[in-house]
Order: sequence, then C-alpha cells, then structure tokens
Amino acid sequence: EVQLVESGGGLVQPGGSLRLSCAASGFTFSSYWMSWVRQAPGKGLEWVANIKQDGSEKYYVDSVKGRFTISRDNAKNSLYLQMNSLRAEDTAVYYCARVSIAVAGTLFGWFDPWGQGTLVTVSS
Amino acid sequence: QSALTQPASVSGSPGQSITISCTGTSSDVGSYNLVSWYQQHPGKAPKLMIYEGSKRPSGVSNRFSGSKSGNTASLTISGLQAEDEADYYCCSYAGSSTPVVFGGGTKLTVL
Repeated sequence: EVQLVESGGGLVQPGGSLRLSCAASGFTFSSYWMSWVRQAPGKGLEWVANIKQDGSEKYYVDSVKGRFTISRDNAKNSLYLQMNSLRAEDTAVYYCARVSIAVAGTLFGWFDPWGQGTLVTVSS
Repeated sequence: QSALTQPASVSGSPGQSITISCTGTSSDVGSYNLVSWYQQHPGKAPKLMIYEGSKRPSGVSNRFSGSKSGNTASLTISGLQAEDEADYYCCSYAGSSTPVVFGGGTKLTVL
C-alpha cells in the first residue's frame, strides 16, 4: 500500500523554526517528484514546494522563498520541509504528496496520494 | 486570491447532476491538459478524483467526469449521492515559474 506519513508539526513562536518530515512507503520513492501543500484553518489548498527525484531541482511559492527549504533523503524514503522565520500566516495543516508527471518537460501533473497532514501553529 | 477561480458553493439533490467550473488563464488551464480535481471531506486529506483533465484514477466512480474548454475546466458529478458532499479543488500546471496553482475550492452540498 502506498503511504505517506507526516510528522514534526506543533506550536512555534513567530520567528521560530520547525522541520517537518514525511515517511514514504509502498512505492519507489526515488522515482517520483514530491511536494508539500498546506491548508490554513478554514481555507483552501496552497502549493508550497516541489522537489525533483534526485533533489537537483526545487520550486517554491513566492511567500516562502528564502524561508523554507524542501529536501529529501532517498536512502531513508523521506521528504523534509525546513521552515525558518515562521509567521502567523504560515499556520496550516501541511500535507506531503507524491507528484506524477505524464508530460515530458513539465514540472507537475497531479498529486496522488496525500499524507494525513501535520498541523503547524505559529503563535506567541 | 487564488490563481484559479471556482464558485464558492454548489448544491444539488440526490440523483441530480452538478458541474463545478474552474477558470484560469492561457498560462495555466488554457495551455496544458494538466488539470486535476481533488475531493476533501472535513478533517480528511484531499483525494484525487480526476487527472489530466478527464482521466479517472482506479477506484473513482464513473459518476465523476472532467472536461475543459479554453481556459475553463469543469468537474461534473452525476447521480449525486450524500457521500459526495465535500469540498472540491481544481489544480493546474502553470509553467516553470510557479508550477502548481489551485482553485479556491467549492463546497458541494447534497440537499
């Protein structure tokens, strides 16, 4: 069974840091792009970052550039999101998702599956 | 403001059909046949319902269908059932600068 399990969420003060992890199982992790998507309380989905299979390419939404870093360890089948300089508006459930790409030369196709999410709360 | 525009809410009675629109631009929806749709029940993770505009993953009911015309993609649910009540999000590839854009989501109420 393909499975993604996030961990590392919690309460952090503004300006603080947090590292999220996503453990993958049931598929060849090193063959897929991976992504983080977040959802603020009561709000819609927002894509945060993508990372290529070998980690050589990374893409971020403008609002997190310079503050968040996506990374992966293919030997451990794990995806990470290092979040620094956290702000109240970063409060959200963070989902890990596997990316499928069907068209050569594009950077995204669809997300499937998704993890269950981990809640990050930025508050003093 | 989301990059893709969806109606905030739609409703329908059991057995009826509803359509949710997703309007983008010539830089995203209009340029690529890479629109996907996700269903999200309260407190749950999103679930893929449609990919590449009109393809259904294994296990998704054939009551769900997708289409596209110009810069607007659509999700149609036929034979509405109570279990279809959920939030639905569209998503599209948008090029190398910002690869992924979502719609704001549509709350489907089954009356």
